[in-house]
Amino acid sequence: KNEVEQSPQNLTAQEGEFITINCSYSVGISALHWLQQHPGGGIVSLFMLSSGKKKHGRLIATINIQEKHSSLHITASHPRDSAVYICAVRSQPDNYGQNFVFGPGTRLSVLP
Amino acid sequence: EAGVTQSPTHLIKTRGQQATLRCSPISGHTSVYWYQQALGLGLQFLLWYDEGEERNRGNFPPRFSGRQFPNYSSELNVNALELEDSALYLCASSFSERQVYEQYFGPGTRLTVT
Repeated sequence: KNEVEQSPQNLTAQEGEFITINCSYSVGISALHWLQQHPGGGIVSLFMLSSGKKKHGRLIATINIQEKHSSLHITASHPRDSAVYICAVRSQPDNYGQNFVFGPGTRLSVLP
Repeated sequence: EAGVTQSPTHLIKTRGQQATLRCSPISGHTSVYWYQQALGLGLQFLLWYDEGEERNRGNFPPRFSGRQFPNYSSELNVNALELEDSALYLCASSFSERQVYEQYFGPGTRLTVT
């Protein structure tokens, strides 16, 4: 079993739809990141979470530490949201020996 | 403010050669991370440098090495290149990892080994 899993693997949506991407992990973490990778390869860090919920524009990220689960929501999706979304966790035990584990990514296509 | 920069953008080498990839972090950032993304595979953590020292490395053989310079820029060296080293190599930077900070990614270097 992978330490970080994402679902779904692939997602096709119509413009305007509400989208949810899920991430579950099996290790203790100090932080969880959501990353966006566009077809050219460039990566943008969307959120870094250690608890609760964060919102930025149409994007919302939540994390439940007890359930070891995080979700990324996109409201009013747009074709420019088409990208691969990657969940990444920084595993414990301490801040100075952290290892980084990435999920396999969710490929999102938003159709006009 | 300039973002993370990487050079070269593309690099083509033959098997057995050495490759050197470079990364300049955002001004003020002291931590630099290297990641590998092989075709069809996910991101894998390679190396982490903070304030000039290697702090952690992923599950890669010793022929993957690097260093961080006094200006916090970093170099990744891959010796004895193998075909499976062909990948996108991404660098990211953040403030000191004594706290947990956001990472900012560079555009990547695409290495092709023939």
